[in-house]
Amino acid sequence: EAGVTQFPSHSVIEKGQTVTLRCDPISGHDNLYWYRRVMGKEIKFLLHFVKESKQDESGMPNNRFLAERTGGTYSTLKVQPAELEDSGVYFCASSQPRLGADSGANVLTFGAGSRLTVL
Amino acid sequence: RKEVEQDPGPFNVPEGATVAFNCTYSNSASQSFFWYRQDCRKEPKLLMSVYSSGNEDGRFTAQLNRASQYISLLIRDSKLSDSATYLCVVNKGGTSYDKVIFGPGTSLSVIP
Repeated sequence: EAGVTQFPSHSVIEKGQTVTLRCDPISGHDNLYWYRRVMGKEIKFLLHFVKESKQDESGMPNNRFLAERTGGTYSTLKVQPAELEDSGVYFCASSQPRLGADSGANVLTFGAGSRLTVL
Repeated sequence: RKEVEQDPGPFNVPEGATVAFNCTYSNSASQSFFWYRQDCRKEPKLLMSVYSSGNEDGRFTAQLNRASQYISLLIRDSKLSDSATYLCVVNKGGTSYDKVIFGPGTSLSVIP
């Protein structure tokens, strides 16, 4: 089974430019998450898709960040315009839908991450 | 107060030692608990889920105390390959059930 795939693995851009990160979740995983780790800080939640719908985007830092998941398959995260503080590693994760209201949260499988460096 | 807190570390232990990590969480509605491991410049990978009755997987034992909102991870007979950052992960619960929150991580270095 293919895992969660992220592209690019590393992107170096200048402040003010645009970058689009892509995530291909495990096939059949309805839940797709974006997380971010900036230098020296813990991994922080950005948003959660269930299929193509945004379930929770409370972690998105500001309106320079736009996530989409058209068709409920792969997802993109666009940063426009990028700022220095956006540098970090962006992780995508996916999980299967829960079996029911009483079942535990499903285990997330993470992609290798996209490292973003804004100069 | 952070939603998930962990021992600050780092822990530097000799091979063969036993080491324990602690984690506390603030949301009493949380229902699912995990330990993830993250190697340098790699993605987090699930080490083990944590069940109410406690669970063991080889040299690793996880415990959960819901009353105290506390989770622990015990590693016995440490190996060099156990060197990594250990992340305590908790689901938020309530209306954000499927959202998981990461602790800051505890770094472990196992020394020959």
